[in-house]
Amino acid sequence: NAGVTQTPKFQVLKTGQSMTLQCAQDMNHNSMYWYRQDPGMGLRLIYYSASEGTTDKGEVPNGYNVSRLNKREFSLRLESAAPSQTSVYFCASCGGPNEKLFFGSGTQLSVL
Amino acid sequence: AQTVTQSQPEMSVQEAETVTLSCTYDTSESDYYLFWYKQPPSRQMILVIRQEAYKQQNATENRFSVNFQKAAKSFSLKISDSQLGDAAMYFCAGGSNYKLTFGKGTLLTVNP
Repeated sequence: NAGVTQTPKFQVLKTGQSMTLQCAQDMNHNSMYWYRQDPGMGLRLIYYSASEGTTDKGEVPNGYNVSRLNKREFSLRLESAAPSQTSVYFCASCGGPNEKLFFGSGTQLSVL
Repeated sequence: AQTVTQSQPEMSVQEAETVTLSCTYDTSESDYYLFWYKQPPSRQMILVIRQEAYKQQNATENRFSVNFQKAAKSFSLKISDSQLGDAAMYFCAGGSNYKLTFGKGTLLTVNP
């Protein structure tokens, strides 16, 4: 019953540091997503992977890279963190386009 | 391009009463889907209801129902018999294929 698992739950970085957010789902879903949530902004799509082996840019991809490691795992990498990347990051998955999204519990990231 | 607008940053309702949350959208797609997601203080994103735009019938899920006005591009959420557990941030979202756009959210307070 794990669903979508994100790690870590909290992270503090200094400007310029790099880090990778991990996401795994155990529902055999084809599609996976990374969103960021900022106060007053709702959720914005960073990158998505429609299926294993493919990735595409969303609304706010600058400063991020992603890897669809296999069908279960989809990671998000910040190569050189900036204060503007302070946010809550959500990973999500679904069985196909336009289906219900299953979300992870989020990662609170602060960049100082 | 797609936009989703929630014009009510905050709403309040008395327990057991009915409340309606507003959402308007704009899209150039002919085939799209609309959603309402709930985010309680736990931060977990939970699907409330899903509407397929090609279906004229309004979706319902127990105490939750939508008023989908396709010509007006309106997608409001009605919560009947409000309960304390309904207190949360509610996000309207719409999209097609793999790209979902979220509104900025409406914070719902339920008063006992």
